[in-house]
Order: sequence, then C-alpha cells, then structure tokens
Amino acid sequence: LAKTTQPISMDSYEGQEVNITCSHNNIATNDYITWYQQFPSQGPRFIIQGYKTKVTNEVASLFIPADRKSSTLSLPRVSLSDTAVYYCLVGERGKLIFGQGTELSVKP
Amino acid sequence: DTGVSQDPRHKITKRGQNVTFRCDPISEHNRLYWYRQTLGQGPEFLTYFQNEAQLEKSRLLSDRFSAERPKGSFSTLEIQRTEQGDSAMYLCASSPPTGYTEAFFGQGTRLTVV
Repeated sequence: LAKTTQPISMDSYEGQEVNITCSHNNIATNDYITWYQQFPSQGPRFIIQGYKTKVTNEVASLFIPADRKSSTLSLPRVSLSDTAVYYCLVGERGKLIFGQGTELSVKP
Repeated sequence: DTGVSQDPRHKITKRGQNVTFRCDPISEHNRLYWYRQTLGQGPEFLTYFQNEAQLEKSRLLSDRFSAERPKGSFSTLEIQRTEQGDSAMYLCASSPPTGYTEAFFGQGTRLTVV
C-alpha cells in the first residue's frame, strides 16, 4: 500500500481557499486517491475521490498531476465549520489505511 | 436513519473484563471495516470483511481482539481481558460492492477501561 505524507497542521481564515497537498510517491497503477474529513468524536466522512486530473463535487476539488505522485485537496471559501482533520488515503479496494492527517484550523 | 450504526456509543469497563461491540452496516454493503482511534491519531486498521469472510486483519487481532460477521450482515468486535491501553474510540465502516475506497463510518464506540 502506498504511504502518504501530509502536513500535520494548517491554519486559515474564513472565506479563504485552502489547499492541502498529499504526497504518495509509491502509488500503484490501480490505486485511487480518496480524502476524508473527521470532526472530533465522529467517524471520518468521505469527501472526494479521484484517479487522475481533476475532480470536483459540491464540497471540494481534487487535483492530481499526471505522475499521480501527489494530490491536492482544495476547499473553496472555508468557514469555521470546516475546522477538522483531513486524511488522504491511497489504495484500491480493500483495507483503508489512514495516516496522521492534516489538522485544519479555520479562524474568524 | 440508514447509516452505519454502532452499539453501544459509550462503554466503561474494569480492567480484565471482556467487552463486545456491535456494528450494523448500511444495508447491501458487503464490506465492513473495524478501526481503533486514540486521541490525536488517525484511525488504526483492525480488520475487514467481505460478506462473512474476514479477508484481512492486523496483528492486533491475533491476541485479545476478535471480530466476527456471522451472516454477512452485522459484525461484533470482542476484546478479552481489557487493559487500560485499550481505551479508545472503536469505529466501524461499510462500503458497497462497487466503487473503490468510499466507506461510510459509524459514530463509533468510545471505550474507557478503568
């Protein structure tokens, strides 16, 4: 399974765009890239998933370069409620391996 | 509510006692996962099932931890002879037969061993 590396923490202000980058140098051909969000005392929640190029949904965008060795989760115009831990996972179907995640703190 | 359901939500037990947690996945989800999470850490993989078959488990499950999914529906996680280090949030997730790594998590069971 490909190992992922993310920043441990990030700070932002309300209304800003936040980009969280994840490195996954050993990603395999069949691996997908998935991001989860977790609030305190809750289970993780799926945000977005992609294989290559760009994926966008109502919550976020995911940018994946051609070599797929990294990915960037983009949260447009964050609010205080986006304060959470964000996890990047890489793999195909099967067990999901979580790393430390990135703790995002959004300030007023 | 048709999400993943875990029971109980909280459990306090004395060291040395056995505890069992239950997870009811989303209907028709054939994959079920168990994780353990301590404060400040990401969820730690314990095991996962495809239908009733336990396809993979961490080394942690070879000792005092065991999990079952007898009919491919709900699952139980048992911890025998609990230790204070077992205090954690135990999370269950399920995923559908199609798709890749999109899993739906329950609210978790918070275990406190005193």
